[in-house]
This record gives sequence, C-alpha cells and structure tokens, in this order.
Amino acid sequence: EVQLVESGGGLVQPGGSLRLSCAASGLTVSSNYMSWVRQAPGKGLEWVSVIYSGGSTYYADSVKGRFTISRDNSKNTLYLQMNSLRDEDTAVYYCARKIAAPDCWGQGTLVTVSS
Amino acid sequence: EIVMTQSPATLSVSPGERATLSCRASQSVGSNLAWYQQKPGQAPRLLIYGASTRATGIPARFSGSGSGTEFTLTISSLQSEDFAVYYCQQYNNWPPVTFGPGTKVDIK
Repeated sequence: EVQLVESGGGLVQPGGSLRLSCAASGLTVSSNYMSWVRQAPGKGLEWVSVIYSGGSTYYADSVKGRFTISRDNSKNTLYLQMNSLRDEDTAVYYCARKIAAPDCWGQGTLVTVSS
Repeated sequence: EIVMTQSPATLSVSPGERATLSCRASQSVGSNLAWYQQKPGQAPRLLIYGASTRATGIPARFSGSGSGTEFTLTISSLQSEDFAVYYCQQYNNWPPVTFGPGTKVDIK
C-alpha cells in the first residue's frame, strides 16, 4: 500500500523557518515526480513545488527564493525547507505523488505563521 | 498562468439526484484536466484524470467530459458519501499546475 506521511508543521513567527518532511512507503520517492501542495484555512488548493525523478526542481512564484524542495533517497523522504515565512504561508501542506493529476496524497501538516 | 474557474460555487442536491459541475480554463488545456473530491479534514482524492478517465477504485457514477476550455464532472446519482468539495486541476504545460476554486456539493 502506498502511504505518504507528512510531519514538521507547527507555529512559527513571521520571518522564521520550518522544514517539512514526507516519509513514503510503498513507493520510491527518487523514482517519482513528487509535489507539495498547500491549502490555506477555508481556501482552495495551491501547487507549491515539484522535484522530478531526475532532480530538477520548480516552484510557484509565491514561494520562489524562499522554499527549497529536496529528498533523501536513503530515507525515502521528501522535504520542504521553508524560510522567510509570511502570514500568507499559513496552510495545510500536503505532499503528493506526481504533479499532473496527483494520485496519492499524505494527510497534510499544518503550518501556522503568526506572531 | 492558466486560470481555472468553477461553477456553481455551491450546488444543493438531494440524494439520488444528478449533479453537474462545471470547470473552465482561461486557455486550452487539451484533455489535461483532473477532478478531485475533498471532504472536511481529509486530503484530496483523485477522481478523474485525462478529462474523462476514472482513477482506480472510483465508482462508475462519477464521469468526466470536455476538452479545450470547458469541462464537466457528472455524478449520476448522489450518495450520502458524495457530499464534499470538488476541485478541477489543469496540468497542461506544467509547471505550474493550477486548481479551480472548488464547488461545494451539499444536501438540499
């Protein structure tokens, strides 16, 4: 069974940093395109970032230069390093397999940016 | 960036009735369109990809149609478990991919 489990969310002050993790089982992170998608409270879905199986990375304009996606193949885990956090980054962050029609999602981890 | 719109924002339907949800893209996305269902406190669930192909395990009462800029998700006979928010997503010439704002299907 494919499973993605996010962790690392929490409360952080504006300007602070946080690193999210997404531990995968039943699939190999390095063999898949892996994405982060977020959802602000009561709002819709917003794609954040993707890492290709070949290692190329891409970001939404709203997070470019502040967020970094990466993976640890030995741990079969995806990461999202979030720096210079803003109030508008408050959201549930989901990791997902694929970018085009993601077919497997984690349960999400809540990031709250507030002073 | 391709902008996705969905209508209506809320659809009130009685159990057993048919529901028709619309999604429009600001420019053609071919058939590169997916539909998701999301229930409160849960992650999105892929229903349809390629505009009309049901994902694994999705009941036949869910069907998708359309191409280019106009798409439709039809739920032929609403069951109690189908009351949720539905999102469309385009994935043409990604990244980025973009989602619609969602349609909430609630009980009439």
